[in-house]
Amino acid sequence: EVQLVESGGGLAQPGGSLRLSCAASGFTFSSYAMSWVRQAPGKGLEWVSGISGGGGNTFYADSVEGRFTISRDNSRTTVYLQMDSLRAEDSAVYFCAKGTYGSGSYSLDCWGQGILVTVSS
Amino acid sequence: AIRMTQSPSSLSASTGDRVTITCRASQGIGSYLAWYQQRPGKAPNLLIYDASTLQSGVPSKFSGSGSGTDFTLTIGCLQSEDFATYYCQQYFTYPFTFGGGTKVEIK
Repeated sequence: EVQLVESGGGLAQPGGSLRLSCAASGFTFSSYAMSWVRQAPGKGLEWVSGISGGGGNTFYADSVEGRFTISRDNSRTTVYLQMDSLRAEDSAVYFCAKGTYGSGSYSLDCWGQGILVTVSS
Repeated sequence: AIRMTQSPSSLSASTGDRVTITCRASQGIGSYLAWYQQRPGKAPNLLIYDASTLQSGVPSKFSGSGSGTDFTLTIGCLQSEDFATYYCQQYFTYPFTFGGGTKVEIK
């Protein structure tokens, strides 16, 4: 059974940093791309970032480009999202999701339960 | 970025009804479109990918169609568990983008 478990969320100050982790199990982790998707309270889904299975290709939404960094450790079957220069508008539930392919174009077929990030002074 | 526009943003329907949700892309995306269901407080669940392919384990009352810029999701014979919010997503090019969502409510 595929499982994705996010951790590392919480309260951060504006301008501060947080690092989210997503521990994966139940599939050959290095063979699949991974994405982070967020949802602000009462709002819709926003794709944030994606990384290929090998980790060599990373992509970002315009809203986080230059502030967030996605990475993965295939030996630990974990994907990370380093969030720097946080803003109030980054407050959201962050979901980790598994892609249907290792790279390129993919839908998201398994999701974690989500973790709350709140940016406030 | 490609803009995805869903309509309606919400709809009211009765158990047993058939409903259709539309999604329009701001430029052609081929068939690189997925549909997700999200119940309150839960993670999204993939229903349809490649515009019309049913994800394993998803009931056949869900169907998708379209290509290029115009897509539809049809839900046949609504049941209580189908009252949720539905999102389309393009994965033709980065950044991937979602539609604003369609909330299906009980009439």
